[in-house]
Formats: sequence, structure tokens, C-alpha cells
Amino acid sequence: QVQLQESGPGLVKPAETLSLTCTVSGSSINNDTYWGWIRQPPGKGLEWIGSIHHSGSTYYNPSLKSRVTISVDTSKNQFSLKLISVSATDTAIYYCGRDPDYVPNHFDFWGQGTLVTVSS
Amino acid sequence: QSALTQPASVSGSPGQSITISCTGTNSDIGLYNYVSWYQQHPGKAPKLLICDVSDRPSGVSTRFSGSKFGNTASLTISGLQAEDEADYYCSSYTTNTSLIFGGGTKLTVL
Repeated sequence: QVQLQESGPGLVKPAETLSLTCTVSGSSINNDTYWGWIRQPPGKGLEWIGSIHHSGSTYYNPSLKSRVTISVDTSKNQFSLKLISVSATDTAIYYCGRDPDYVPNHFDFWGQGTLVTVSS
Repeated sequence: QSALTQPASVSGSPGQSITISCTGTNSDIGLYNYVSWYQQHPGKAPKLLICDVSDRPSGVSTRFSGSKFGNTASLTISGLQAEDEADYYCSSYTTNTSLIFGGGTKLTVL
């Protein structure tokens, strides 16, 4: 069974960088699949942030692309999210997940999510 | 790119069938068979119900089914149960190689 676990600071100051890591267990991150990030502002809907393949190939949400970097560390079976210049609108529950397709399609396994609040 | 359009809420009685619609454009739902549906209970992560328009992942109840006609996808839940009360989201791949979600639909089981 694939399991994912998000980790990182729960509070980030405005204009700073949000950094999160997703640790994958029960599956090798080197499998031929994409791994991605999705967020959900409190009480609102889901927003896809981006996805990465172990080869380094990435897809990003065009509305966030200028501020987002997703990277992968195959030695640790982890992938990470960096979002720069955050503001209050970036406050959300951040989920990581597995997308078993070759394009951004669907997420069949999800982490439990981690709440990140942007506030001074 | 705008989110896919879903009704804010739907309701039904136990045993009934309900359908949730998800309307996009000919740049997403109308062009690709990459439509998925998720169920989300309060405080929980979303759960994949349907992928690729109508495929059910292993372990998902056969009461859930998906379809598509033109730019609109649909999720049908038959034999409604109390445990089906949750938020439901659709998603689709788009022409700009991204993934968009619907705004979500709250299902109330009366």
C-alpha cells in the first residue's frame, strides 16, 4: 500500500518561502509515475499545484508557475515543494499525492494533508 | 484557466440515485477522456472514485459511476447511503498540460 506523508512548517511569514516535503513509503519514487502537490484553502475547493517524475520532468499550474518549484530526492524517496513570495491567499491544506499517468490526470493515493498558514 | 463548473449542492434520500454534473470546455473535458471524480469527507483527504471518465479503481463501490457527453461529465451515485454524504470534486486534464478541478458539490443525504 502506497503511503505519503507531508512535513514542513505550519506557519510561514508573508513574502517568505513555503517549503514542504512528501515522504513516500510502500513504493519507490523511481517507479514510472508522477508525484504531485494539491492544495485546499480552508472551506474551499481543490487546486492542483504541480507534478514531478523521478526523471525530473515537471508540470506546473500556469497560475502558480512563476512561484513554484517541485523537486525530487530519489535517495530519500521524497519530493518537495517550494512556493516563494507567499501571501495570505496561500494559506491552505497542502496535500501530496501519486498520479500514475503520464500527464496530470488523477491522484490515486494522497497524504493526510498539512495546514500551512501564512501570517506575520 | 477557470475551474470546472459543478452545482454547489445536491441532495437525495437513502436508496435514491443522484447525479452531479461537471461542465468544462472543449479545451478540457470536451477534448480529453481524463476526467476524474473524488469524494472528500470533512477533515479527510480526497478519495479517488472515478478516473478516465468511467473507470473505477479497485475497492470503489459499484454504486459510483461516471460518464461524459460533450463538455460535461457526470458522476452518478445509486442506492444512496448515509455515508455518501460528503463533498465531491471533478477534475480534468487541459490543453495547457495542467489539471483543473471543479468547485466542488456538497451532497446531503436526507
